[in-house]
Parts: sequence; C-alpha cells; structure tokens
Amino acid sequence: ETGVTQTPRHLVMGMTNKKSLKCEQHLGHNAMYWYKQSAKKPLELMFVYNFKEQTENNSVPSRFSPECPNSSHLFLHLHTLQPEDSALYLCASSQDEETEEAFFGQGTRLTVV
Amino acid sequence: AQSVTQLDSQVPVFEEAPVELRCNYSSSVSVYLFWYVQYPNPGLQLLLKYLSGSTLVKGINGFEAEFNKSQTSFHLRKPSVHISDTAEYFCAVIQTGANNLFFGTGTRLTVIP
Repeated sequence: ETGVTQTPRHLVMGMTNKKSLKCEQHLGHNAMYWYKQSAKKPLELMFVYNFKEQTENNSVPSRFSPECPNSSHLFLHLHTLQPEDSALYLCASSQDEETEEAFFGQGTRLTVV
Repeated sequence: AQSVTQLDSQVPVFEEAPVELRCNYSSSVSVYLFWYVQYPNPGLQLLLKYLSGSTLVKGINGFEAEFNKSQTSFHLRKPSVHISDTAEYFCAVIQTGANNLFFGTGTRLTVIP
C-alpha cells in the first residue's frame, strides 16, 4: 500500500459514455500526476498538478479532462473515448513537483468498447 | 530531452541465479535515476533511486544498481533471485529540477523454478 488509492480498479465503458477516474492520497503531497500505460509503450505522463494548479498537459486529447479540487484528490473525466484509449491509468503523487520520488496508485484498467 | 532504453523486453532466469536488467539513458543535463517494479497487482513501487553520491545504490528486496555516468547506464542487479521477483521492471529518469519522469518500456523478469 503506497498511500495512493485509485477507484475504480477496472472500468469498461462504451464510446458514448461519460465516466470519471478518482485518485486520492493521504501522504500530504502537493503534486499529483496522471500517467497512461499502454502495452509495449513507455508510461506516458498526461497531466501534472502542483498545489491544485495544472502545470503540465502533454498534448492530451480533450476527451480526457482532469480536475484537482484539492491537493489530496485528482480526477480524470472521460467522454467519447476511443478503443485505443484502453490502457492502465496510473495516478501518482509527490511532495512537490520538483521532488524526485513519486508514489503510484494501483491503477484503473480501462477498456473502451 | 531525456530518453530511457531498456534493451531487454524479457529476461527469464532460474531461481537463485543472478540477474542484471539493463538500462541506458540519454540526457544532456544532470538527472536522477530510478528503478520501479510492477507486480501483477499493478501499482508501481519504487525499488531504488540514484540522486547523488555513491554510484552503487542499494534498494529493497536485495536489488542494487550502479550509476555509470560515462556509459550513461543504470543497470539493476540481484545476486540471487526468488520466484517472488517475477514482475515488470521499469527504469526511469528525471532531469534535476523537472517534474516529468521518463520511463523505459520495461523488462519482464520471469524467475523459473
């Protein structure tokens, strides 16, 4: 248990659905991240939030919409996804965005049908 | 920009044998280096990290890695593996002062009884 909790663990959704992924950390960290892990590809950083402000968006399509209401919670809102968006979505947190070590959640396995 | 290369996508090894997982990186600036492990319960867990100081870094579960600046490598080693070491191992690099971890594509270590 790393202190970073993601829900749900598994999600199957149709291309017209709207769903949200949730990430919660109780480590007192100020930076939170969304990563996408696809088969045979390196983990891709999607978004970075530091003190609730988005500091990085790595050219992620607008069908992915992050929300960070406070330093402990991070959401990823999903709508009109494509089958190629199926992947493991990992949330991570760190003390701040210049700290070296990130703690990862167990991920949400997303399947888009 | 940084990049990480893990040349071996799969490494099978017999139980109690030694293992080395290779990692090379490219960067024009100073970096921090990490090895993460991903078990079937899919969250990423930090194995060890190199920030500065001694180039030989010891981590959890008996793993160690050696930073070689001239060869831009950070290979992971364990003198005697166990069945429980079967997992996916990821090398990662971050530019000092930056917030973006770059991951390799991973090496699947399979320990054979």
